[in-house]
Amino acid sequence: EADIYQTPRYLVIGTGKKITLECSQTMGHDKMYWYQQDPGMELHLIHYSYGVNSTEKGDLSSESTVSRIRTEHFPLTLESARPSHTSQYLCASSAYIVDEQYFGPGTRLTVT
Amino acid sequence: AQSVTQPDIHITVSEGASLELRCNYSYGATPYLFWYVQSPGQGLQLLLKYFSGDTLVQGIKGFEAEFKRSQSSFNLRKPSVHWSDAAEYFCAVGAGTASKLTFGTGTRLQVTL
Repeated sequence: EADIYQTPRYLVIGTGKKITLECSQTMGHDKMYWYQQDPGMELHLIHYSYGVNSTEKGDLSSESTVSRIRTEHFPLTLESARPSHTSQYLCASSAYIVDEQYFGPGTRLTVT
Repeated sequence: AQSVTQPDIHITVSEGASLELRCNYSYGATPYLFWYVQSPGQGLQLLLKYFSGDTLVQGIKGFEAEFKRSQSSFNLRKPSVHWSDAAEYFCAVGAGTASKLTFGTGTRLQVTL
């Protein structure tokens, strides 16, 4: 069944650690996105990719980085986590740029 | 650039009552419009979308929305709310085929029994 997956679902980590949030989709979509969402708040686009080896920064400045080496995989990395990075991170994919985006369940990150 | 406004931060309705969630957009041409729902601790799920054609759009879970160009609105409606509809609802707009989506700030729906 086509779906979009995120791991881990929850992560508590200390300041200064390097972390990678995984996102994979079996939808066959070229377009993928990372959003940051504080509890009860709007979504902010932090990274997006329209295909392999193509990544762009989104509307909200973020210290994270992304890579797109395979169509189905779009990991997000924080080299040195800080408490200000505490948030929920949502991954999404779509077939076209303006189209329904399919969301993963999210990763709730807490940096202590 | 496009923008979207959801004027109501929090709405409470009784189970069985009707519901209308407001969404206003700003864009010069015909926008692409979406309504998503987010349950606690989950990702977003698409309820319905409008690209063109009939301005009354039917979605999943008994929801519908009406595109009104004159009012720049795309309000979400449901005739009879169920307790399981309690969630966060997001309106989103895309301006043209090469535009990323812009999400509203969301409306939290609480349903009382």
